[in-house]
Amino acid sequence: EAGVVQSPRYKIIEKKQPVAFWCNPISGHNTLYWYLQNLGQGPELLIRYENEEAVDDSQLPKDRFSAERLKGVDSTLKIQPAELGDSAVYLCASSLGPMNTEAFFGQGTRLTVV
Amino acid sequence: LAKTTQPISMDSYEGQEVNITCSHNNIATNDYITWYQQFPSQGPRFIIQGYKTKVTNEVASLFIPADRKSSTLSLPRVSLSDTAVYYCLQDRGSTLGRLYFGRGTQLTVWP
Repeated sequence: EAGVVQSPRYKIIEKKQPVAFWCNPISGHNTLYWYLQNLGQGPELLIRYENEEAVDDSQLPKDRFSAERLKGVDSTLKIQPAELGDSAVYLCASSLGPMNTEAFFGQGTRLTVV
Repeated sequence: LAKTTQPISMDSYEGQEVNITCSHNNIATNDYITWYQQFPSQGPRFIIQGYKTKVTNEVASLFIPADRKSSTLSLPRVSLSDTAVYYCLQDRGSTLGRLYFGRGTQLTVWP
């Protein structure tokens, strides 16, 4: 069975440009997470979905970040415009549901803003 | 956020048993303790989860004392490939729950 798939694996953009990350969770997983990980730090939650509903987006910088999970499956995270400080690894994870804390992570997208 | 405290780094040698302790003084009645492992350039990977006493799987053991204010992840006979960051999470598993990672413990295994 395929795990959580993220694309692209790497992305380099100039500041002020838009960027989008895509995530395909494990089939049947209702809960989807987007995390941001800076070098030397643990992952930090940006947003959590239960099916297509964003149930926890308190950590998402809504002035430049947006996310969607149409039909409760794939998800896209967008940054517009990107800033130098957005350089980090963006991780997507999924789990069967909110009561199951075994989350499965993708390999992440490493974003470099220059 | 439910935060835990663990050492920033640990060193060990191949073949030794490694014990990583995590403190979670504010653990709630319905919180579980979960450990994840992360290798460079990869996402975290679930290792083990427990509520109290001892849990063992093919990878590790997790010891949680009666007061549940701390826990210990035990890795038997580590190898070089166990070099990774280990995260201790305290999670409610409810609709209000989230996975809070903290900085984790960098375990380095030497030959």
